[in-house]
Amino acid sequence: QKEVEQNSGPLSVPEGAIASLNCTYSDRGSQSFFWYRQYSGKSPELIMFIYSNGDKEDGRFTAQLNKASQYVSLLIRDSQPSDSATYLCAGPHSGGSNYKLTFGKGTLLTVNP
Amino acid sequence: DGGITQSPKYLFRKEGQNVTLSCEQNLNHDAMYWYRQDPGQGLRLIYYSQIVNDFQKGDIAEGYSVSREKKESFPLTVTSAQKNPTAFYLCASKTRGLDTQYFGPGTRLTVL
Repeated sequence: QKEVEQNSGPLSVPEGAIASLNCTYSDRGSQSFFWYRQYSGKSPELIMFIYSNGDKEDGRFTAQLNKASQYVSLLIRDSQPSDSATYLCAGPHSGGSNYKLTFGKGTLLTVNP
Repeated sequence: DGGITQSPKYLFRKEGQNVTLSCEQNLNHDAMYWYRQDPGQGLRLIYYSQIVNDFQKGDIAEGYSVSREKKESFPLTVTSAQKNPTAFYLCASKTRGLDTQYFGPGTRLTVL
C-alpha cells in the first residue's frame, strides 16, 4: 500500500459549493500532514498543515485529521473559480523521519462559474 | 525578499548531454530537496540534504547527482544515464525541527 493516497478525481463543483478532498495514509505513527495547491504549470504552494486530531480552520479552508481512521481531508467552502487547481496531500515518509515527505498523486479540482 | 530560486525556468537538452539545474535559498533553511514531477505521477524524491556536505538518495536517484557545498545552494545534475529526463523539477527546503517544505518555482527540462 502506498504511504499516502488521494482519491484521484477529477472533482468538479459549482461556484459557491463546498469542495471535499480526501487522502488516506498507511503509517499509523504519522503525526503531521500538509495540503499543497498547485496551479497548472506552477510549483506547489502550502495552504494548510495539521498535526493534531480534529479540525483546523483557516479562512475558507478546513483541514481534518482522523488518526483512528487514518485519513486527512481538506474542505473548501464557498469555492471560487480561482480555487481550480491540483491539490496535493503530503505526510511523513515511512520510518518516521521528519526530513522526508511522501506525496499523493493529487486531485484536480475544477470550480465552475 | 526571502525565498527559493531555481534556474533556468526552461531547459532543453540533447540526448547524451549532462545538465545542471540550480537551486538557491536565502531562508537559512538547513534541509534541501529535489523532486521530479511527471504528469499523473505526483512528486517523487530524487535527493535530499539535511546539512552541508551531506546528502542522501531519495526514491529515484539513478541518473542524477547533487552537491551541497554551501547551505544556500543545492544543484542537481541530470546525467546522460537518466533514461527519461523530461520532467518538471522542483527544489524545496525546510528548517530543522519543522516538517513543512517550501518549493521553488521549478525548472521544466525537455530532452530533444
